[in-house]
Amino acid sequence: ETGVTQTPRHLVMGMTNKKSLKCEQHLGHNAMYWYKQSAKKPLELMFVYSLEERVENNSVPSRFSPECPNSSHLFLHLHTLQPEDSALYLCASSQGRSGVYGYTFGSGTRLTVV
Amino acid sequence: GENVEQHPSTLSVQEGDSAVIKCTYSDSASNYFPWYKQELGKRPQLIIDIRSNVGEKKDQRIAVTLNKTAKHFSLHITETQPEDSAVYFCAASAPMNSGYALNFGKGTSLLVTP
Repeated sequence: ETGVTQTPRHLVMGMTNKKSLKCEQHLGHNAMYWYKQSAKKPLELMFVYSLEERVENNSVPSRFSPECPNSSHLFLHLHTLQPEDSALYLCASSQGRSGVYGYTFGSGTRLTVV
Repeated sequence: GENVEQHPSTLSVQEGDSAVIKCTYSDSASNYFPWYKQELGKRPQLIIDIRSNVGEKKDQRIAVTLNKTAKHFSLHITETQPEDSAVYFCAASAPMNSGYALNFGKGTSLLVTP
């Protein structure tokens, strides 16, 4: 399989649950990103990983915890979320962070917090 | 940090007409400006991009222009077709700790009516 794959596609969780989102890229890229997409808002950058090292934490609440065990996999661990965290969570990858390459996005995980 | 403004938020055109979406950015160090198309329920996909050393780029019915002095760039779609209906996002690549990351506009919902 090629491209960027995200699982699950849909997730409904209670505020006390713990869940994880998974992202896998088969493009040989070495930078990966988590973005949050809410209605009426721009895509918000959450985390950046380059060569498996987190290089940017864009002031995201600690109830979101990323993990990047290798350059092909990225996780977003969720715990004690709030209803306002309901959104589409998009993973993306790029060939480096030189700023001259576009991102390839996954299909996203539609998260609903109840 | 980088601030990307996008206008209009919605745009409705007749099939065959042209559509123009405009974006401005704030960081003069931004060097890469991609455009993404997101159809309902699907992932954002890169449709065209332009680098800061180029003023204009064209790919069939799609063109992008960049004015570095004014810090704005635009997407032009000619001879629009119903399948062009989607949300379009502009982005600017800005320096961000150890590299660059994309900041996105809020999106333009384009509707092409037959």
